[in-house]
Amino acid sequence: DGGITQSPKYLFRKEGQNVTLSCEQNLNHDAMYWYRQDPGQGLRLIYYSQIVNDFQKGDIAEGYSVSREKKESFPLTVTSAQKNPTAFYLCASKLGQSSSYEQYFGPGTRLTVT
Amino acid sequence: GQQVMQIPQYQHVQEGEDFTTYCNSSTTLSNIQWYKQRPGGHPVFLIQLVKSGEVKKQKRLTFQFGEAKKNSSLHITATQTTDVGTYFCAASGAGNNRKLIWGLGTSLAVNP
Repeated sequence: DGGITQSPKYLFRKEGQNVTLSCEQNLNHDAMYWYRQDPGQGLRLIYYSQIVNDFQKGDIAEGYSVSREKKESFPLTVTSAQKNPTAFYLCASKLGQSSSYEQYFGPGTRLTVT
Repeated sequence: GQQVMQIPQYQHVQEGEDFTTYCNSSTTLSNIQWYKQRPGGHPVFLIQLVKSGEVKKQKRLTFQFGEAKKNSSLHITATQTTDVGTYFCAASGAGNNRKLIWGLGTSLAVNP
């Protein structure tokens, strides 16, 4: 059963702690994305990766870091430098680099930092 | 940077009424995709439009791409409670085929 998994679904952290969100896909997709969604807002791109061992900053990369050591995995670390980390984080993937491919989304992780 | 404006932001309808959301760009688009996100869920791909003037239908949903490829619309005929959610357009500018530009979405509420 192919798809994208994100874990955990809910995550709670204290302010000042780094936290890593998991994203795994078994769709054999080359490109992977991390988005942030705030209540009533659209999707804002944090980081994306078109190929293994390469990634680019999106529109709101400050306070976040990523790695792409394996094709299947694209973890996102929310660092203590991120001023407002509480949000819904969505991971997505698509087959190739072209924007003509549809994006497949994972179920998301709701992060709450207090 | 390039933007895609989506209107309205919110829409409440009675079940059975029609609904339309619009996406507009000041620049020519290469293609546009539409996604639906149910409350508490994640976006799910609905359709992609590529050609000027293209019209595609999925049951009660009709998608259009403008002749100038600068705007698009999603129309739902006779809404049902299952249509509740937020509808997003996501577009790629001509010449830039790597990153999608997302609209802010239209949240649809349907009163039974």
